Amino acid sequence: GAVVSQHPSRVICKSGTSVKIECRSLDFQATTMFWYRQFPKQSLMLMATSNEGSKATYEQGVEKDKFLINHASLTLSTLTVTSAHPEDSSFYICSARAINSADTQYFGPGTRLTVL
Amino acid sequence: GQQVMQIPQYQHVQEGEDFTTYCNSSTTLSNIQWYKQRPGGHPVFLIQLVKSGEVKKQKRLTFQFGEAKKNSSLHITATQTTDVGTYFCAGVGTTDSWGKLQFGAGTQVVVTP
Repeated sequence: GAVVSQHPSRVICKSGTSVKIECRSLDFQATTMFWYRQFPKQSLMLMATSNEGSKATYEQGVEKDKFLINHASLTLSTLTVTSAHPEDSSFYICSARAINSADTQYFGPGTRLTVL
Repeated sequence: GQQVMQIPQYQHVQEGEDFTTYCNSSTTLSNIQWYKQRPGGHPVFLIQLVKSGEVKKQKRLTFQFGEAKKNSSLHITATQTTDVGTYFCAGVGTTDSWGKLQFGAGTQVVVTP
């Protein structure tokens, strides 16, 4: 149980294009989903917290217009990197917190974004 | 704001030896969680500690939560090559209503046979 999927697993795009990453909780409903960014050999940096049906809350320093988050249902959240640039290349990981899960987060497999 | 410090950053261990990684928070935590990330993989939940002074064991792994709920440790005995990876602690602040995790820097573990 508690499986989270992410799609795509890898994406290469040209500078200036937008990329959408999907995060799905497959066998549970997630009240809250989180989006992280991880640079090589570094820790996870929380980008934003998204609750179903409401606007995402972004961490300090994360541009809302750059990283658009939509949490349309209790099983799906999307992150769109708009007008991507090479410095946006990173490993993006989502996690989902189940209803009544006592803060335990289940992580997706991550999406490796490379912007050329 | 809340900060979670984790040491050591790297740990080289001979197979069969024990080691410990330590985690300290600048503020009191509601709970602390531990995750393991294999090279090229994503974080996998290991355990959650909630109570002051709590100790939990998973086979060769022993997790502790400090009395003040500001520090934690992970001790692995008789290290095996399957223990390779980066171990992260992550704390949830007492004032956080969404369960946001503040991750430590991680301890990268390398096991030599």
